Amino acid sequence: KAGVTQTPRYLIKTRGQQVTLSCSPISGHRSVSWYQQTPGQGLQFLFEYFSETQRNKGNFPGRFSGRQFSNSRSEMNVSTLELGDSALYLCASSLEGPTIHFGPGTRLTVT
Amino acid sequence: AQSVTQLDSQVPVFEEAPVELRCNYSSSVSVYLFWYVQYPNQGLQLLLKYLSGSTLVKGINGFEAEFNKSQTSFHLRKPSVHISDTAEYFCAVRRGGSQGNLIFGKGTKLSVKP
Repeated sequence: KAGVTQTPRYLIKTRGQQVTLSCSPISGHRSVSWYQQTPGQGLQFLFEYFSETQRNKGNFPGRFSGRQFSNSRSEMNVSTLELGDSALYLCASSLEGPTIHFGPGTRLTVT
Repeated sequence: AQSVTQLDSQVPVFEEAPVELRCNYSSSVSVYLFWYVQYPNQGLQLLLKYLSGSTLVKGINGFEAEFNKSQTSFHLRKPSVHISDTAEYFCAVRRGGSQGNLIFGKGTKLSVKP
């Protein structure tokens, strides 16, 4: 089975722009979650979607949003980018169980 | 609320030596426990997990961990490390019985020297 895939793998944006990251979960997985990884704050939970509904949300500003499609694929969007948004964004998926599998991440650099 | 403390930010060790990476957690409810490994420029790979049952769990690449409820610990061990084990290791908890998110420790960088 193919793992979690994320596109693009690398991205460079300018402050003030917006960005959309894409994630395809493992086949059959209906839960998709997003995490941000930075050297200073470590790994932090952004949000989780299940059956196209946001089920859980972390403590991030409203500039960070996401959605899930009927085929379980997910996108996250960051508007009005700030330098501090530079990070590795990890998408993860799971079946209806406790184990979460991660993708390779999208490295976002904001200049 | 849950929290995770990884006691060592960096652990240098020689090849073929044993290693233990320490993890303590805090939670007022039952939790699931995980160890993930991250190689440079990659995502997180699941090493092993404790969900219930035997407190000694075995994972991939020869790693194992022991869940100790009284000490709220979940230390990761390997009897003999290889150069290829050089990576960052993350301990994580997830609230049991629900669909809560993972809460991660700050990570431990394992550096295996020849």
